[in-house]
Amino acid sequence: GENVEQHPSTLSVQEGDSAVIKCTYSDSASNYFPWYKQELGKRPQLIIDIRSNVGEKKDQRIAVTLNKTAKHFSLHITETQPEDSAVYFCAASKGYDKIIFGKGTRLHILP
Amino acid sequence: SQTIHQWPATLVQPVGSPLSLECTVEGTSNPNLYWYRQAAGRGLQLLFYSVGIGQISSEVPQNLSASRPQDRQFILSSKKLLLSDSGFYLCAWSGTVYEQYFGPGTRLTVT
Repeated sequence: GENVEQHPSTLSVQEGDSAVIKCTYSDSASNYFPWYKQELGKRPQLIIDIRSNVGEKKDQRIAVTLNKTAKHFSLHITETQPEDSAVYFCAASKGYDKIIFGKGTRLHILP
Repeated sequence: SQTIHQWPATLVQPVGSPLSLECTVEGTSNPNLYWYRQAAGRGLQLLFYSVGIGQISSEVPQNLSASRPQDRQFILSSKKLLLSDSGFYLCAWSGTVYEQYFGPGTRLTVT
């Protein structure tokens, strides 16, 4: 079955700098790659996603890139702000099937 | 628009007691439904998922069970709770599009 690896497990960046979280997946049939943000004590929230027919997608300060050949995808956050501090989960699925999550990255934005 | 509800929000139960957590979805029909558990500071563990009434797939064999008595209702149960059952229980749904959305969660403490 699908396996999603996520790195790093913890990331600290200075406010205003960029943050990058990377994930790899194992099943070449996966075609949907969402990213979730979970603030302390709250539910995971879908913040951006990408499908396999697209190589990059942007939404304001966040962007995702997908390399199907290498089976890896990344989340990029630019101009980081204190409210970006959270745990971020990447995931992969074949669309019709259950989503497989990575283990999460705890992002700390330093003042 | 679609809304997902979970209750109770918090629960403290003694070891060996039964458990029933409920999840309902509004504004959609025939959703895929999921139960996840998240231990403190950890990732998302998929427990059960359902693609229709009475159709339950178990991901982790343990003392928990799930039922789907109605199209938009998903119930997580246990006959006898263990200390290790403590955690944040999240229900989620997905529809004909790929996106999956989480409910607000139930924080369970087994004492």
